[in-house]
Amino acid sequence: GQSLEQPSEVTAVEGAIVQINCTYQTSGFYGLSWYQQHDGGAPTFLSYNALDGLEETGRFSSFLSRSDSYGYLLLQELQMKDSASYFCVADNYGQNFVFGPGTRLSVLP
Amino acid sequence: DADVTQTPRNRITKTGKRIMLECSQTKGHDRMYWYRQDPGLGLRLIYYSFDVKDINKGEISDGYSVSRQAQAKFSLSLESAIPNQTALYFCATSDSSEPADTQYFGPGTRLTVL
Repeated sequence: GQSLEQPSEVTAVEGAIVQINCTYQTSGFYGLSWYQQHDGGAPTFLSYNALDGLEETGRFSSFLSRSDSYGYLLLQELQMKDSASYFCVADNYGQNFVFGPGTRLSVLP
Repeated sequence: DADVTQTPRNRITKTGKRIMLECSQTKGHDRMYWYRQDPGLGLRLIYYSFDVKDINKGEISDGYSVSRQAQAKFSLSLESAIPNQTALYFCATSDSSEPADTQYFGPGTRLTVL
């Protein structure tokens, strides 16, 4: 099976940088992705890592280390609209997708 | 128009009733998924389909069934609804030409079973 761990809550101020960590335990693993979900909304795709290293997409970056079974999402220049829940998702060779429990990010003025 | 639509958006039903949730997409994607989300938790995969003739169970398929009527349509049925199936249900799509993790979600159906 697969299980993922994330911090339940993170708080930061506008303009700051925040890192949301994700550790995973899997019987098979292909890649790690990140989704954002605002309250009452649908998850939206942010980033995907199949290889070790850093992927950068605008203000968001995602990192994966397969040897450490670890990844993180880095959000820079935080804005109020970034307040949302963030989920890491493990992909088992496209056969199953397991969501982490989510990290609720609160951005303060 | 939205690329992934779900009907109904909200549904209240009683224990033992049969319920069908429908999902349609105009993205031309070949893969479709059904998830449920319980309050404060992540999404859990119920069923997924990689093409019209391919149906696979996800993590929590018991009590649910699906039908892929066409490439663009994927429906989820609860044969005999029970209260612990009260949840927010999401349909998602992806394309085999992209990394499978790039999923596009519908707006969700909020189901309450009394």
